[in-house]
Amino acid sequence: AQSVTQLGSHVSVSEGALVLLRCNYSSSVPPYLFWYVQYPNQGLQLLLKYTTGATLVKGINGFEAEFKKSETSFHLTKPSAHMSDAAEYFCAVTQMNTGGFKTIFGAGTRLFVKA
Amino acid sequence: EPEVTQTPSHQVTQMGQEVILRCVPISNHLYFYWYRQILGQKVEFLVSFYNNEISEKSEIFDDQFSVERPDGSNFTLKIRSTKLEDSAMYFCASMGDTSTYEQYFGPGTRLTVT
Repeated sequence: AQSVTQLGSHVSVSEGALVLLRCNYSSSVPPYLFWYVQYPNQGLQLLLKYTTGATLVKGINGFEAEFKKSETSFHLTKPSAHMSDAAEYFCAVTQMNTGGFKTIFGAGTRLFVKA
Repeated sequence: EPEVTQTPSHQVTQMGQEVILRCVPISNHLYFYWYRQILGQKVEFLVSFYNNEISEKSEIFDDQFSVERPDGSNFTLKIRSTKLEDSAMYFCASMGDTSTYEQYFGPGTRLTVT
């Protein structure tokens, strides 16, 4: 069965510091991996995704993530945090089953950015 | 840019009442989904829908829930007899094809059951 684990429900960084949000997954077949961002009282916005090909993927707002199969990880990074990055971030895995596609989300990590 | 829309943005209902949450997916998309997010918790998969039938559903999606695409445009989630624990944000999503696996989410409907 698929599962997604996000280490740290809350992460706090200073403005300009590195952002690292951790995500580990389990999947019985090659996964499709996603990071979404959710701002207060809004829906989910796709930051980036990994399906096939290059394992380092770049997304919007300067974020990137690296798929590491050996570590079953898909950590999200940004070199320099901005105040506007404060939000909830969800890692997700989508798997094709016989019944169709199913996406499982992690519990989320709330990012705080201090001035 | 095309987007997924959902109505209403907020629905308040009494326990035991039926509610219908509506979604208009992106027009050329083929795969449709409902998720829910209880306040402060993670987003949970409810159901996926393709070719006018449910393709996958979670344990949460019991007999009280149903989905329909009545007119080729709207995609609805019905809860027959709401319970307090159904209070959550419900998100609709659609996906164009399986080449990208990219789901586009609507802004959500906040359901409050009193």
